[in-house]
Amino acid sequence: NAGVMQNPRHLVRRRGQEARLRCSPMKGHSHVYWYRQLPEEGLKFMVYLQKENIIDESGMPKERFSAEFPKEGPSILRIQQVVRGDSAAYFCASSQDRNTGELFFGEGSRLTVL
Amino acid sequence: DAKTTQPPSMDCAEGRAANLPCNHSTISGNEYVYWYRQIHSQGPQYIIHGLKNNETNEMASLIITEDRKSSTLILPHATLRDTAVYYCIATAYSGAGSYQLTFGKGTKLSVIP
Repeated sequence: NAGVMQNPRHLVRRRGQEARLRCSPMKGHSHVYWYRQLPEEGLKFMVYLQKENIIDESGMPKERFSAEFPKEGPSILRIQQVVRGDSAAYFCASSQDRNTGELFFGEGSRLTVL
Repeated sequence: DAKTTQPPSMDCAEGRAANLPCNHSTISGNEYVYWYRQIHSQGPQYIIHGLKNNETNEMASLIITEDRKSSTLILPHATLRDTAVYYCIATAYSGAGSYQLTFGKGTKLSVIP
């Protein structure tokens, strides 16, 4: 029973490039969450999605960041024109239901912006 | 989410019980207490949650005081693999969205041989 799969595990980008992070939820889970962890800080909620819908994006920066969870395929967190401050670990989590705080997290994607 | 306060670090001898406290004095009636842990650089792992009754599962026990202003996570027989940062989170279903977990700085538990 595979867990939440994230790729790439490590990504290096130069300033101004685009970063795409992918997340496949656990089998049977249709709720996906993205969290960001800056160095030496706690995780911060970014966005919550269900299939084809963004439900809550209150934690997403207003510019350059977008997320999707298409009908087929993984959820994608996209960061355009990356800056050094975007360097962080990005964690995806999934859940079976909406009304639960029991989330299953992936191993994270570590973005380094040069 | 209600603010939670945890000690920044704790040590525990291997094989002994680890008791991790959490203060959540402003918790509201519909907020659950969740515990997660993050082993170095890995994704957070759900441990347990409760509303007002004590809870136990295969990983840990959660003791919530009667006034719900504080709780204690108990790892009954700590092993070296339990060394991690433990997060106590008080949160409720938002209705429009879902549970939005607010991770603070947590308690860094070091299990010592």
